[in-house]
Amino acid sequence: RKEVEQDPGPFNVPEGATVAFNCTYSNSASQSFFWYRQDCRKEPKLLMSVYSSGNEDGRFTAQLNRASQYISLLIRDSKLSDSATYLCVVKGNDYKLSFGAGTTVTVRA
Amino acid sequence: DAGVIQSPRHEVTEMGQEVTLRCKPISGHNSLFWYRQTMMRGLELLIYFNNNVPIDDSGMPEDRFSAKMPNASFSTLKIQPSEPRDSAVYFCASAKTGAGETQYFGPGTRLLVL
Repeated sequence: RKEVEQDPGPFNVPEGATVAFNCTYSNSASQSFFWYRQDCRKEPKLLMSVYSSGNEDGRFTAQLNRASQYISLLIRDSKLSDSATYLCVVKGNDYKLSFGAGTTVTVRA
Repeated sequence: DAGVIQSPRHEVTEMGQEVTLRCKPISGHNSLFWYRQTMMRGLELLIYFNNNVPIDDSGMPEDRFSAKMPNASFSTLKIQPSEPRDSAVYFCASAKTGAGETQYFGPGTRLLVL
C-alpha cells in the first residue's frame, strides 16, 4: 500500500466552480501535512500547510481528519490559473516527505 | 533571493555515458534533498544531506548512482553508467532545519538517456 494515495483525477471544472478532493495516508504517526502545487513541467511548490483545526488561505481550504487519516483541499471560485497538479504531502517525525501521485485539476473558461 | 539552482536544465545522453547533475541550495539552508520524478513512480527521495553529510541514501537505486556535497553551497548527483530507465526529472530541494522545514525545490533537470 502506498503511504499517500490520491485520486489522480482529472477534475475538469468551469471557472468559478468549487472543486474538492482528498488524499489518504497510511502512517498514523504522521505529524505534518501539506499541499504542494506542481504546474506542468515545473517544480513542486508549497501551497499550504494543513493544520488539525483546518485552515484557509484565500480561496483554498484544507482539512485534516486524523481519525480517518485523510486530508482534503477545497478550491472556491476556481480560476484558470488554478489548473495544476496538487500533491498531498505527509511528514513523519523526521525529515522525510511522502508525496502522493497528485490530483490534476483543469479549470476551463 | 535566488532559489535553488540546478544545472543543466535538460540533458540528453546515450546509454553508458556518465551524467552529472548539479545543485546550488538556497543560501543558509542546511538540508539538501535529491528527488527523482517519473510518471510511473511519482516523486522519490534519492538522498538527504544535512550540514553537508549524507544522512539517508536508502533511496539511491543502485551503485551507479552517487551523490556528493563538498560544501554548503554545492551538491552533485552522478549516474555512471547511465541507462534508459534513468530517464526522469531530477529535482534538488533545500530546507532550513527547524524553520518549519519547508522544502524549496529547484527547477529540475530533465534527463533523457537514449
